[in-house]
Amino acid sequence: NAGVTQTPKFRILKIGQSMTLQCTQDMNHNYMYWYRQDPGMGLKLIYYSVGAGITDKGEVPNGYNVSRSTTEDFPLRLELAAPSQTSVYFCASSPEAAMPQHFGDGTRLSIL
Amino acid sequence: GEDVEQSLFLSVREGDSSVINCTYTDSSSTYLYWYKQEPGAGLQLLTYIFSNMDMKQDQRLTVLLNKKDKHLSLRIADTQTGDSAIYFCAEIPPRGGGNKLTFGTGTQLKVEL
Repeated sequence: NAGVTQTPKFRILKIGQSMTLQCTQDMNHNYMYWYRQDPGMGLKLIYYSVGAGITDKGEVPNGYNVSRSTTEDFPLRLELAAPSQTSVYFCASSPEAAMPQHFGDGTRLSIL
Repeated sequence: GEDVEQSLFLSVREGDSSVINCTYTDSSSTYLYWYKQEPGAGLQLLTYIFSNMDMKQDQRLTVLLNKKDKHLSLRIADTQTGDSAIYFCAEIPPRGGGNKLTFGTGTQLKVEL
């Protein structure tokens, strides 16, 4: 019963460093999503993918990149970490558009 | 409005009913969702309602939908301490492709003994 798995769970970065947040799902879902959650706020969509090889920007894509080479994996990359990217990042997947999304447990990222 | 709106806090006594309210943005949204987030955890889908329904009941949970007013509510009967969490309503509005969830800011429910 793995569902959506995110790694790492926690990370501290220095300003200007880069890193990749990993997300994998074992439900053969076509749609995958990356959100960020800032304190006291709802989730904001960063990027999403409707299938392998296809990605598109969400509401807050600046400073991030994604790729979707397989159905299972949807990594999120931060190239030049900035303090404004301190947040909790959630990956989600769904079988099709408008279907309920299944969430991972999140990656808590601090940039100092 | 542009944003999905929720009250930030709700406090209830154990055993009472909780009602969490939400105003969403697009009367054409097909599905409306309630998610629960416990401290330090991801979002867990609680329930959802299709837009052609007025009400959906699932054990202690009752969802009411008023499409005219774009109002969604979640009622939790016999609220327990384990219900303490943040509750998010969400919609998938047709604008923007109809495949992206828009979340409210969340309502933090505190259950007191």
